[in-house]
Amino acid sequence: SYLLTQPPSVSVAPGETARITCGGNNIGSKSVHWYQQKPGQAPVLVIYYDTDRPSGFPERFSGSKSGNTATLTISRVEAGDEADYYCQVWDTNSVVFGGGTKLTVL
Amino acid sequence: QVQLQESGPGLVKPSETLSLACNVSGGSISRYHWSWIRQSAAKGLEWIGRIYVSGRADYNPSLRSRVSMSVDTSKNQFFLKLISVTAADTAVYYCARSDLEYLQQWGQGTQVTVSS
Repeated sequence: SYLLTQPPSVSVAPGETARITCGGNNIGSKSVHWYQQKPGQAPVLVIYYDTDRPSGFPERFSGSKSGNTATLTISRVEAGDEADYYCQVWDTNSVVFGGGTKLTVL
Repeated sequence: QVQLQESGPGLVKPSETLSLACNVSGGSISRYHWSWIRQSAAKGLEWIGRIYVSGRADYNPSLRSRVSMSVDTSKNQFFLKLISVTAADTAVYYCARSDLEYLQQWGQGTQVTVSS
């Protein structure tokens, strides 16, 4: 089955830029979607189809892809961005999630 | 804005059947596709499957032999059944509204524990 690899943790100071990566074989041929999950809450879609942002979601969140890596970038990080972030693709009629990255705001 | 709410027993005995319902409010269930996902510390987020209003379903290959999903359009609800559960099926179970490839909106989740 398809495997998505994320770093377990990323730390960043407030106001800085956080980059969370998601690696997968030939990920360039797939669309990547990202979710934010805060403690005790359900995941929330933050980026879909690589770069699209749901209406009302801050422009500070953006997605990109290059080679075998997709990246979620959070600019001007705020304390409220502290959460787990998951990437996801659709592969062979199945939803596949990455293992998640815990973003810590220092 | 569609809202989703999971319901069902929080405790299921080993070897029995886990049954959950997801109530959809604020919109017609017939307009979208619907998924079930679960989350545990051991496995992280795990997609269980997706059901279309037609009744056709796609299931996670690792669970296909034990899972079934259904829809009741008259009640605006869809359902999950997982048979022969073990402790490994203990998780928070979420229902979600599906786009073709991603999960547009999630319910708040419901904890299911498998234990005698």
